[in-house]
Amino acid sequence: SQKIEQNSEALNIQEGKTATLTCNYTNYSPAYLQWYRQDPGRGPVFLLLIRENEKEKRKERLKVTFDTTLKQSLFHITASQPADSATYLCAPPGSSNTGKLIFGQGTTLQVKP
Amino acid sequence: EAGVTQFPSHSVIEKGQTVTLRCDPISGHDNLYWYRRVMGKEIKFLLHFVKESKQDESGMPNNRFLAERTGGTYSTLKVQPAELEDSGVYFCASSKGQGLTNEQFFGPGTRLTVL
Repeated sequence: SQKIEQNSEALNIQEGKTATLTCNYTNYSPAYLQWYRQDPGRGPVFLLLIRENEKEKRKERLKVTFDTTLKQSLFHITASQPADSATYLCAPPGSSNTGKLIFGQGTTLQVKP
Repeated sequence: EAGVTQFPSHSVIEKGQTVTLRCDPISGHDNLYWYRRVMGKEIKFLLHFVKESKQDESGMPNNRFLAERTGGTYSTLKVQPAELEDSGVYFCASSKGQGLTNEQFFGPGTRLTVL
């Protein structure tokens, strides 16, 4: 079955540094992949979608890469700020690509001032 | 524009009781999804409506769970009878399209505790 793996350990970095989060998937080839942010007590919030034919996608300080050979996506936050502290979720679609998302466990990022 | 709303925000019930969760999607979104997160696990898909029809209910755990979306607007998810393992946070999400236009907007979730 489809499996999504994200670093379960929290990532602690200093303000101003670049945070890099990893998402690996196995047993299928999604046509696209989404990244969401989740704050405590709230639902996930969509950040970026990257398609399988796109190597890289950027939005302000965020950058996502998608390597279909390695079956991996990397999520970068440059010039990180304490307000970036949250849990980040990788979510490719299910194998039918119709709608349902398969979530990883998420990586919690803590940016220290 | 109002986001996805869910009611109640919290529910505490005893094993064997019935609970009904409600989700109001963003107006104009044909696609409505239910997900849940149980303690320590990842968010897992339950089912997907397109308008009033169930497109995919492969994630529904068992027949104690019943989801409806009458009229293609709001949706309810009923758990009857509730068991201890049903405790968790239930999220509803909606989207305008599917596939590559599938940005999903999530509600704040309903935290269900079964004692």
